[in-house]
Parts: sequence; C-alpha cells; structure tokens
Amino acid sequence: GAVVSQHPSWVICKSGTSVKIECRSLDFQATTMFWYRQFPKQSLMLMATSNEGSKATYEQGVEKDKFLINHASLTLSTLTVTSAHPEDSSFYICSAGQGALGLIGTDTQYFGPGTRLTVL
Amino acid sequence: GESVGLHLPTLSVQEGDNSIINCAYSNSASDYFIWYKQESGKGPQFIIDIRSNMDKRQGQRVTVLLNKTVKHLSLQIAATQPGDSAVYFCAENREDSSYKLIFGSGTRLLVRP
Repeated sequence: GAVVSQHPSWVICKSGTSVKIECRSLDFQATTMFWYRQFPKQSLMLMATSNEGSKATYEQGVEKDKFLINHASLTLSTLTVTSAHPEDSSFYICSAGQGALGLIGTDTQYFGPGTRLTVL
Repeated sequence: GESVGLHLPTLSVQEGDNSIINCAYSNSASDYFIWYKQESGKGPQFIIDIRSNMDKRQGQRVTVLLNKTVKHLSLQIAATQPGDSAVYFCAENREDSSYKLIFGSGTRLLVRP
C-alpha cells in the first residue's frame, strides 16, 4: 500500500511554455499532498501544500502564479509550471500522507518517483 | 541561472560493515522524525521513523536513535550491502507546521564491495 505515482516521469519543453505534472495516490485517499523541488546534489525543498477542495498553501519565496496547484480530488493533485524558463529546470517530487490527517504529526509521507523537468 | 549544487557529505563503508549516518535538527518543537533513502533519479523512500517520546527504534537492519538534548538523530544500518548505496535524508515534522516536513541536507552512502 501507500503508492504515489507521478506523470510524466520526465519532460523537456521550450522556454515560455507551460508544463503540467500529475501526482496520484493509487491505493489511498489523501486530503493533503505536498510538492517539492530538488536541484542536483541538494535536498528537497518544500514548495507548497496542496489541499483538496481549497487553495494551496505556498512556502515563502514560491510564486503562486508561477506554480499553479490544483487538488482536484482525494487522489489527484497537479502542479503546473507556467511560462517555464531554464531556471525552472529541476526534479519535482510530490508526496501524500496516509492515515488520520486530522492528527498533527502522525502522518508518514510517501513520495512519488519524481518528474525531471528540463526547460530549453 | 542554475544554482551550483552543494557537495553532499559522503560516507564510504566496506560491504558488511555497519554504517552510521548523522543528522542535526534545529527545532526543539519537532516531534516526529523520519529517515528517507533516495536513489539517483528516484523519489525518497521511507526507511524508518521515530517520535519524540522515544529515543530508539529498530527496524529490519536499521536503527534510529534520537537525542533530544542535543537535537541529534542518527541512522544505523547493520551489515551494509551494495544496495544500500544512496543518499539518506533525515526529515523533521514541526509541531507548529502541521504535516510539513523539513529535510536535512543529506548524506551520500557509498558501499565498497
């Protein structure tokens, strides 16, 4: 159990285009999902918290108009990188929690396999 | 432009030896800690977790130790195998941040055959 998938696994796009990345919890429902980005040889940096049925919560310094998040259902969250530029090239990873999300600090997050975005 | 990647600290061990990976956390309010393993080009994989009311937890070949006094976390891997080669991250859940995880900088484990 607790499998999270991402699609696509990699994408190459031209500068100025928009790219959508999907994150799905395959065998459980997740009211909360998280989006991270990771540069080479660096740690994961939380970008935003995706909440089903409400607006995403963005971390400081993350442009909400640049990185659009939609939590369409209890098993799907999407991240759209709008007007992508080469500096947006990164490894984007989502995670979802399994269990009683109403309890603070009790939820283990399971991560998707990541999406490698390359903007030319 | 593209940011320069940081050099990850590396731990090199002989196959069969025990490995100890350390992590320091900063927020004394953190109450839940997790170790993740990340192989190249993949997402992090859950290894083991521990809550702040414990100081030790054991899994299969892995042990996590928590020292709240000095805000230190360690991951011990027994009889390290080539398949253990990866980058290991500790993550903390801060009680005041709901479910948000804050990741440490990571340690690369290299297992010599």
